[in-house]
Amino acid sequence: RKEVEQDPGPFNVPEGATVAFNCTYSNSASQSFFWYRQDCRKEPKLLMSVYSSGNEDGRFTAQLNRASQYISLLIRDSKLSDSATYLCVVGLNNFNKFYFGSGTKLNVKP
Amino acid sequence: GAVVSQHPSRVICKSGTSVKIECRSLDFQATTMFWYRQFPKQSLMLMATSNEGSKATYEQGVEKDKFLINHASLTLSTLTVTSAHPEDSSFYICSASRDRSYGYTFGSGTRLTVV
Repeated sequence: RKEVEQDPGPFNVPEGATVAFNCTYSNSASQSFFWYRQDCRKEPKLLMSVYSSGNEDGRFTAQLNRASQYISLLIRDSKLSDSATYLCVVGLNNFNKFYFGSGTKLNVKP
Repeated sequence: GAVVSQHPSRVICKSGTSVKIECRSLDFQATTMFWYRQFPKQSLMLMATSNEGSKATYEQGVEKDKFLINHASLTLSTLTVTSAHPEDSSFYICSASRDRSYGYTFGSGTRLTVV
């Protein structure tokens, strides 16, 4: 079983739509959680960390559900520029090793 | 900020030659850096953890004699792909972290093509 699993998509949504991605992780000892964004042929860039209490940054909301071992990312009022692949990242051992999901591709269309 | 610089961004080499990729943390010190590989349409796969002043820790299935890692200072880690073959063609990315609040910062990646 993979450490981190994501629906690859693609999610095709119109501008202005709300879209949500989930990511499940297998190791209950996981301690750090992040969402990264990766544009085609570019390096991943940190979108936001995911805290136990959930956190929001503008149109983006991230949540952690430890009981069910998943994290989620909600994007409101989608923009064309949100089109990218969103990677879920889970860290073990107190920030010492990270595993990436395969990414969820989002296409926002006019 | 937390800036990681990776060089070169693109390299084409002949089969059998070696290629060195550098990863530098520009505005912070990193005792640990990570090297990843990404094949087309696949996820980033952790290859190894580079530890300053000690041996790197390799993930299962990654040949340590083929992918030589040196982390000689707190701001520089290098990955050398030795005796490269076409199947080594991939996108190699390094990452490092300044501290928890910054998450991990990635270098811009190196696209290696072995012909």
